Amino acid sequence: GENVEQHPSTLSVQEGDSAVIKCTYSDSASNYFPWYKQELGKGPQLIIDIRSNVGEKKDQRIAVTLNKTAKHFSLHITETQPEDSAVYFCAGGDFGNEKLTFGTGTRLTIIP
Amino acid sequence: GAVVSQHPSWVICKSGTSVKIECRSLDFQATTMFWYRQFPKQSLMLMATSNEGSKATYEQGVEKDKFLINHASLTLSTLTVTSAHPEDSSFYICSARTQGGFYGYTFGSGTRLTVV
Repeated sequence: GENVEQHPSTLSVQEGDSAVIKCTYSDSASNYFPWYKQELGKGPQLIIDIRSNVGEKKDQRIAVTLNKTAKHFSLHITETQPEDSAVYFCAGGDFGNEKLTFGTGTRLTIIP
Repeated sequence: GAVVSQHPSWVICKSGTSVKIECRSLDFQATTMFWYRQFPKQSLMLMATSNEGSKATYEQGVEKDKFLINHASLTLSTLTVTSAHPEDSSFYICSARTQGGFYGYTFGSGTRLTVV
């Protein structure tokens, strides 16, 4: 089955700076890679996703890049703000079996 | 946008009792729903995949007789933790697959279960 590794586990960034979180996956059949933001006591919220036929996707301050050859993908948050503080999870999946495998999470703290 | 409602948000129960958690898709039909379990400061672990009108598919190591899943309609799936014990205390989250765009997965807000 799929195995998704995520780094770093914790990340502190000065407000206004950029944050980068990286994930690797093992199953070459995976073709869908979403990123979720989870605030304390709440369920994960999708913030951006990318499919395997695309190398990069951007939505305002958030971008995701995918390297299929190396089997890794990254989340980039620019101009960070205090409200970006949360736990971020990457995930990988194959629409064929509908399952998502989650990374171990990154606790992002934005320092004012 | 797609909304998944999960209730209750938290519940405390005594050992040996059963607890039911509901997951509803409010503005779309979800033929497939997923149930996850999350321990503190850990990732989400898939417990089972729930398909409307059929038996759930459980992940390896998940006791299907303990975690009963029912998906009786296209908008409702329930997870019942039977004969709960303190080790069942956890954060349980459901999600539903939505169509449109790139087939996103929408999550419920989670249920914090504490067994005393």
